[in-house]
Amino acid sequence: EVQLVESGGGLEQRGGSLRLSCAASGFTLSSYNMNWVRQAPGKGLECVSYISSGGNTIYYADSVKGRFTISRDNAKNSLYLQMNSLRDEDTAIYYCAREGMLRGVWVFDYWGQGTRVTVSS
Amino acid sequence: SYVLTQPPSVSVAPRQTARITCGGDNIGGQTVHWYQKKPGQAPVLVVYDNSDRPSGIPERFSGSNSGNTATLTISRVEAGDEADYYCQVWDSSSDHPWVFGGGTKLTVL
Repeated sequence: EVQLVESGGGLEQRGGSLRLSCAASGFTLSSYNMNWVRQAPGKGLECVSYISSGGNTIYYADSVKGRFTISRDNAKNSLYLQMNSLRDEDTAIYYCAREGMLRGVWVFDYWGQGTRVTVSS
Repeated sequence: SYVLTQPPSVSVAPRQTARITCGGDNIGGQTVHWYQKKPGQAPVLVVYDNSDRPSGIPERFSGSNSGNTATLTISRVEAGDEADYYCQVWDSSSDHPWVFGGGTKLTVL
């Protein structure tokens, strides 16, 4: 059974740092592109960052560029998001999502249950 | 970057048909996916590649895409369909290619 379990969220001060982790099981992480998606309170889904299966292609939303770093350790079946210089607007639930292929089309086929990040002054 | 526009809310009575739109410049040339998001739960893919359904999704969920509008249609709406729905595309011209619409809250009256 495919499972994604996020951890590392919590309450952090403005300007502080957090490192989110996503533990993957039930599949070989190295074969899949992965994403971090967040949902701020009362807001919609936002793709925060993407990393290709081999780690050589990475994207960031403009809102986090220069502050967040995505990485992966395929040997540990884990995905990470290093979040620095946290801002109030980074308060959200953060989900990791797997990109899988359905009939030749890439979709987010599995999601974790999310980890909550709260940034407070 | 590519912008997807959804109505904030749609209301429908049980057993009626709900239509949720997703507007974008020539979105008909894009491949659109739809996700259902309920409070406290992870998003679930309900329609992919404009009109296909993943296994386990009821036939009541369908999609179409043409011109500047993609549409998610939910027939014979049930109380359990009440959720937020998001359209999604891959736009290679954007800094982050995966783009979500702003979401639509479906209320079952």
